Amino acid sequence: EAQVTQNPRYLITVTGKKLTVTCSQNMNHEYMSWYRQDPGLGLRQIYYSMNVEVTDKGDVPEGYKVSRKEKRNFPLILESPSPNQTSLYFCASSWSGNQPQHFGDGTRLSIL
Amino acid sequence: GESVGLHLPTLSVQEGDNSIINCAYSNSASDYFIWYKQESGKGPQFIIDIRSNMDKRQGQRVTVLLNKTVKHLSLQIAATQPGDSAVYFCAENSGTGNQFYFGTGTSLTVIP
Repeated sequence: EAQVTQNPRYLITVTGKKLTVTCSQNMNHEYMSWYRQDPGLGLRQIYYSMNVEVTDKGDVPEGYKVSRKEKRNFPLILESPSPNQTSLYFCASSWSGNQPQHFGDGTRLSIL
Repeated sequence: GESVGLHLPTLSVQEGDNSIINCAYSNSASDYFIWYKQESGKGPQFIIDIRSNMDKRQGQRVTVLLNKTVKHLSLQIAATQPGDSAVYFCAENSGTGNQFYFGTGTSLTVIP
């Protein structure tokens, strides 16, 4: 089954404690992306990757890092999380940046 | 950044009626648009897309209309069913093929 898998699905943590949200896709897609979803703001793109070892900033990259060492994986790293990064996060993938994206089921992060 | 907005944050329709969800965008260079449906607790799900060289595209029970003159996008759902109740997002490709901007969403409620 074609899917985008995110882990963890839920996480409560404290300010400053580094965390990583993993994302994996099994569709051999070249394009992957991270979004955060906040009430009233819709989805905002954090980072995207056109292919392995190619990553670019989206609209709201501050406080986040990503890496794309393999085609299937695109982890999101919060080196020093802060409360304003409390949000619902989605990973997505597609064949290219000009194609519909498949989304994971989301990761709800709470930073205390 | 981009501005992709919706005219109505909520919409209630009677089962069997047609629904129309609207979206405005601001970047005249955008050349690819997508409508997504998001059900509670899930990631956005692709419904239909349209490229800027078209003004109308039809799917199963859904039609997307694109008016580039006024930078307006709409999603029409025919014979709306209870299973159509969800939040609907329009998304706009930045024109470079890499970055996406989402609207804030419209919550559709279908009344049985």
